[in-house]
Amino acid sequence: QQQVKQSPQSLIVQKGGISIINCAYENTAFDYFPWYQQFPGKGPALLIAIRPDVSEKKEGRFTISFNKSAKQFSLHIMDSQPGDSATYFCAASIDSNYQLIWGAGTKLIIKP
Amino acid sequence: DAGVIQSPRHEVTEMGQEVTLRCKPISGHNSLFWYRQTMMRGLELLIYFNNNVPIDDSGMPEDRFSAKMPNASFSTLKIQPSEPRDSAVYFCASSLRRGNLLETQYFGPGTRLLVL
Repeated sequence: QQQVKQSPQSLIVQKGGISIINCAYENTAFDYFPWYQQFPGKGPALLIAIRPDVSEKKEGRFTISFNKSAKQFSLHIMDSQPGDSATYFCAASIDSNYQLIWGAGTKLIIKP
Repeated sequence: DAGVIQSPRHEVTEMGQEVTLRCKPISGHNSLFWYRQTMMRGLELLIYFNNNVPIDDSGMPEDRFSAKMPNASFSTLKIQPSEPRDSAVYFCASSLRRGNLLETQYFGPGTRLLVL
């Protein structure tokens, strides 16, 4: 019940296309859903996060869509650029808890 | 702000040797995390400190691993003796806890450890 399942494991998208990464969870107590971006040789960095009181959050080319009834959330990257090539992790937590439950990660490659 | 600082960035050692990883959290943050990242297991939380006190060390693999936080600006993760299966990237992250809410975790660049 503590798991966050992330898919796909890897993704190749043409420059200018839309990249979509999906995550699913079981624990309905989760109330904070961040996405982290990790470049090779670097630590993960917070990209965007959402709470379940909204169904969508957009920051620039990055959008989180959240479906509370389906217990799923996804990251959409519009107009994908080669510089977006990185590994993306979804995560979930109960806000008052320190423990982030991490997805397995998606390696995204944007082809020029 | 310099962000979370970790040292060394790379460490190559032989099996049986002691390894010490160091972390300086972001100034003003009161929560510190040590993670381990491998291809097989992904990101694993090893230990969590709040106000320099270890709150949860259930992720520490075994007694060979120990972590300390002697003050708010420094933490160490020690492996003694090291084994090849300890090879991984070790991340330190820090955050600010306000009451019951924990804010964004900021990660350091990691220490890439190879045990031969």
